[in-house]
Amino acid sequence: GAVVSQHPSWVICKSGTSVKIECRSLDFQATTMFWYRQFPKQSLMLMATSNEGSKATYEQGVEKDKFLINHASLTLSTLTVTSAHPEDSSFYICSAEYRGLSYEQYFGPGTRLTVT
Amino acid sequence: DAKTTQPTSMDCAEGRAANLPCNHSTISGNEYVYWYRQIHSQGPQYIIHGLKNNETNEMASLIITEDRKSSTLILPHATLRDTAVYYCIVRVEGDYKLSFGAGTTVTVRA
Repeated sequence: GAVVSQHPSWVICKSGTSVKIECRSLDFQATTMFWYRQFPKQSLMLMATSNEGSKATYEQGVEKDKFLINHASLTLSTLTVTSAHPEDSSFYICSAEYRGLSYEQYFGPGTRLTVT
Repeated sequence: DAKTTQPTSMDCAEGRAANLPCNHSTISGNEYVYWYRQIHSQGPQYIIHGLKNNETNEMASLIITEDRKSSTLILPHATLRDTAVYYCIVRVEGDYKLSFGAGTTVTVRA
């Protein structure tokens, strides 16, 4: 149980375009989902926290107008990278909080974004 | 502001136990020790967590010292598929934030 999926698994886009990444909890409801970014050979950095039905909370230094997050339902959160630039190329990973016996986060497989 | 210290890397032999240390000398009384791992180009995978008692599940065992200032993750019979970066994280249960440090790159060799 506690499976999180992401779509697409990889995407290549041109500079200036927007890209949407979906994160779904497949077998549980997640009131809270998280978006991370990971550059090559670096650790994961939390970008934002999204709660179903409310605005996302962004970490310091993350542009909320560039990284649009929508948590429309208890099983779906989307991250849209607007006007993407080559420096936005990264590995984007979502996670969903499973409030079972403890508050565990389960991670999606990640989305590799390359902006040319 | 790292709350945990882990070795940068370690090798271990396939079939042998892998013991991964983690220091968390400033851990607070209500902070748990969590372990995640990340296989190359995949999302992190939850392994185990504990407060002060030793814990075991199908993946690993977690040994926490009595003073809680350090812990060891034990993979009882390492396989090549256990090659990954292992992250030791301390956090208050219920606190959403997971702060990933550099972790330990574990390479299991045949």
